[in-house]
Amino acid sequence: GIQVEQSPPDLILQEGANSTLRCNFSDSVNNLQWFHQNPWGQLINLFYIPSGTKQNGRLSATTVATERYSLLYISSSQTTDSGVYFCAVDYKLSFGAGTTVTVRA
Amino acid sequence: GAVVSQHPSWVICKSGTSVKIECRSLDFQATTMFWYRQFPKQSLMLMATSNEGSKATYEQGVEKDKFLINHASLTLSTLTVTSAHPEDSSFYICSAPRLGGAYNEQFFGPGTRLTVL
Repeated sequence: GIQVEQSPPDLILQEGANSTLRCNFSDSVNNLQWFHQNPWGQLINLFYIPSGTKQNGRLSATTVATERYSLLYISSSQTTDSGVYFCAVDYKLSFGAGTTVTVRA
Repeated sequence: GAVVSQHPSWVICKSGTSVKIECRSLDFQATTMFWYRQFPKQSLMLMATSNEGSKATYEQGVEKDKFLINHASLTLSTLTVTSAHPEDSSFYICSAPRLGGAYNEQFFGPGTRLTVL
């Protein structure tokens, strides 16, 4: 199956800081999604982005399919951004290990 | 976005009993649903693909006789953990893809936390 690697595994931010999360995948994909898992376990859809760039408020994402990576940008981070961010690829979603983000006030 | 519900949110049961978890797509039809399991501090692992009107397909290493899946309608899939044991304690999450041509974004239920005593 497709291997998905996320980096960094952990990220500690001061409120207001910007950050970039990375997702590398081992083969071409026709589906890529970014999720935020909140403290109660709910996976919240952030982006459906098999290619190109999208923005939603303080979050944006870019996928370069030909180079097999995707980036998630968090700008002006807030404490509510804390949680685990997952990248997942393909129709039967293969998940990366996640990046745990902690935003401190 | 699309809404997927799960019931129950959490369940505690004794070893040897069976537990049924329901997954419903509330505002769209889903001919396919997926079941995942997540252990603490770990990522999600796909267990099986639930197919409306046909048998589920299981990932390697997942016991089909232990994790029974029934896709009863276009909006409902159920996962039954049979003869549950403490090692089955986990967070079970379902998802459903909302299809539209080349667009197949998946939406997740809120999960069911199973504790087997």
